[in-house]
Amino acid sequence: DAMVIQNPRYQVTQFGKPVTLSCSQTLNHNVMYWYQQKSSQAPKLLFHYYDKDFNNEADTPDNFQSRRPNTSFCFLDIRSPGLGDAAMYLCATSSPGGEGGYEQYFGPGTRLTVT
Amino acid sequence: GIQVEQSPPDLILQEGANSTLRCNFSDSVNNLQWFHQNPWGQLINLFYIPSGTKQNGRLSATTVATERYSLLYISSSQTTDSGVYFCAVDLGGATNKLIFGTGTLLAVQP
Repeated sequence: DAMVIQNPRYQVTQFGKPVTLSCSQTLNHNVMYWYQQKSSQAPKLLFHYYDKDFNNEADTPDNFQSRRPNTSFCFLDIRSPGLGDAAMYLCATSSPGGEGGYEQYFGPGTRLTVT
Repeated sequence: GIQVEQSPPDLILQEGANSTLRCNFSDSVNNLQWFHQNPWGQLINLFYIPSGTKQNGRLSATTVATERYSLLYISSSQTTDSGVYFCAVDLGGATNKLIFGTGTLLAVQP
């Protein structure tokens, strides 16, 4: 089945220690998104890639970076995690104008703990 | 920016009951999706419904774009329906960024 995969599902990192979360997709969608969801809140978009074009949200901290080496993979790098970065990180894909229309599909998420 | 409000914020049902969740948005939108977030945090797509009515089993949804609201109906609720329900709107443009609503936390009791 075509899907969005995130690894790891749970990640523990230390305060200030860089961490990378990964997302892969078999849907061949050209847009990939990263959302941050803190406890009891709605998901909030951090940034997205349209093909290789990176689009940062205005209020996304500089501490968050992303890479998309190819269509299938996208990474979220947190350069110096703080306690406030503990959250669920959700990856999503879509293919505007394609078969799925504008519908976004989400991976299972990575729950990040910062100690 | 656009405001997306959901009601009620919390809902407790007995198994077998029906319910209606509402999503109001403050501006015109290109598309709207309904999601169920399960206890493990995964967002499950329920409906992609920019307008009109769709049904999928015990669930159905209606979006009235001209009046800026959408409704999600759950009939004969089951304990597995528990979780948070989000609506999310897309303002249009090339990359359809989603703005999520405030969510409805549903607990279905046996």
